[in-house]
Amino acid sequence: DAGITQSPRYKITETGRQVTLMCHQTWSHSYMFWYRQDLGHGLRLIYYSAAADITDKGEVPDGYVVSRSKTENFPLTLESATRSQTSVYFCASSLKAHEQYFGPGTRLTVT
Amino acid sequence: GNSVTQMEGPVTLSEEAFLTINCTYTATGYPSLFWYVQYPGEGLQLLLKATKADDKGSNKGFEATYRKETTSFHLEKGSVQVSDSAVYFCALSSSGNTGKLIFGQGTTLQVKP
Repeated sequence: DAGITQSPRYKITETGRQVTLMCHQTWSHSYMFWYRQDLGHGLRLIYYSAAADITDKGEVPDGYVVSRSKTENFPLTLESATRSQTSVYFCASSLKAHEQYFGPGTRLTVT
Repeated sequence: GNSVTQMEGPVTLSEEAFLTINCTYTATGYPSLFWYVQYPGEGLQLLLKATKADDKGSNKGFEATYRKETTSFHLEKGSVQVSDSAVYFCALSSSGNTGKLIFGQGTTLQVKP
């Protein structure tokens, strides 16, 4: 199926562990984004990418690392997970600037 | 910088009632404006958009008009259904060609039968 997918959908990990959230899109969209959604904070941009090998920080990048070696993939890594990173994470992509299409989300719990 | 302010929720309506969710923005230049909807347990979906002043975006019975004079983009629907229960986000394009969107905090709509 074409579209944007995220994996895993649910993840429980322990404090200090490294965890990678995957995002894959089949549209060859140039732009990709990672957000976190928390009660009381709405959506906050973590990192974004305008093209393969081009990434930039968003509003809340600390504790996260991204890469984009291929246009279709944009993994997000938590280098050493903390409880404050418990959240729902959304990946999005867009062909042209601004009209973004979102994945189904990954619910991450850090214990 | 650019910002979006939405009315606080939750908004609770009876089925077939008229809906308005207010959204105002602050921006330099001429941003595009968007409404996204998030159903329970899902990601955000683009509901409608407007790219210039006086444009009206519409979809699934929802409408919003880009009002530059009042810097507003209020979402309206004439008759809501239980299936419209969701969280609604107003967003605007950030300046420059970064592709980034600036989102409001979201407004929860609950429609009761």
